[in-house]
Amino acid sequence: GAGVSQSPSNKVTEKGKDVELRCDPISGHTALYWYRQSLGQGLEFLIYFQGNSAPDKSGLPSDRFSAERTGGSVSTLTIQRTQQEDSAVYLCASSQTLRNTEAFFGQGTRLTVV
Amino acid sequence: DAKTTQPNSMESNEEEPVHLPCNHSTISGTDYIHWYRQLPSQGPEYVIHGLTSNVNNRMASLAIAEDRKSSTLILHRATLRDAAVYYCILNRLQGAQKLVFGQGTRLTINP
Repeated sequence: GAGVSQSPSNKVTEKGKDVELRCDPISGHTALYWYRQSLGQGLEFLIYFQGNSAPDKSGLPSDRFSAERTGGSVSTLTIQRTQQEDSAVYLCASSQTLRNTEAFFGQGTRLTVV
Repeated sequence: DAKTTQPNSMESNEEEPVHLPCNHSTISGTDYIHWYRQLPSQGPEYVIHGLTSNVNNRMASLAIAEDRKSSTLILHRATLRDAAVYYCILNRLQGAQKLVFGQGTRLTINP
């Protein structure tokens, strides 16, 4: 498919476990974003990758959250020692190098911490 | 990040035009105005963006005030499928292209 792909689509985990969420951006897109959306809330920016530049991590809520992007393509968001307040939909988006082009979003991963 | 202000909710009728306002009084000269929408249970989707001139595409029109401190997204003939949360975002030309979403406007379309 040509869109942004996220996996898994749903994840249920026990409190205290680590989870990894995957994002496959659109081929050729150098910008990649992660957002989090809690139930009934707006989108909360987490982290932004642009090419080979240092990522903008200013939105990560705690040091339990980290993300990497390998080879300028696939990205993984890792949450360590999950807490119930981490339950949310995690959305990934990608866009082309040129500024002010549209960002394409994936369908998200719904994370539930029990 | 430059802030935008939108009404929390709006309601309109099917097949009528809808005008969704956005205030961005602290906009700088190099900020583009972007609109996204989020349909229920889906990720956001791009609608339209502009800098100074009004813009039209197949989904909507964007009317930008002369002083650029406000803009209006226009859906010319709303359908039930247009029911969504609409986000107005300022995107800086300089620096990181980081899309920061506010709370948006929840649009309800009545049949």
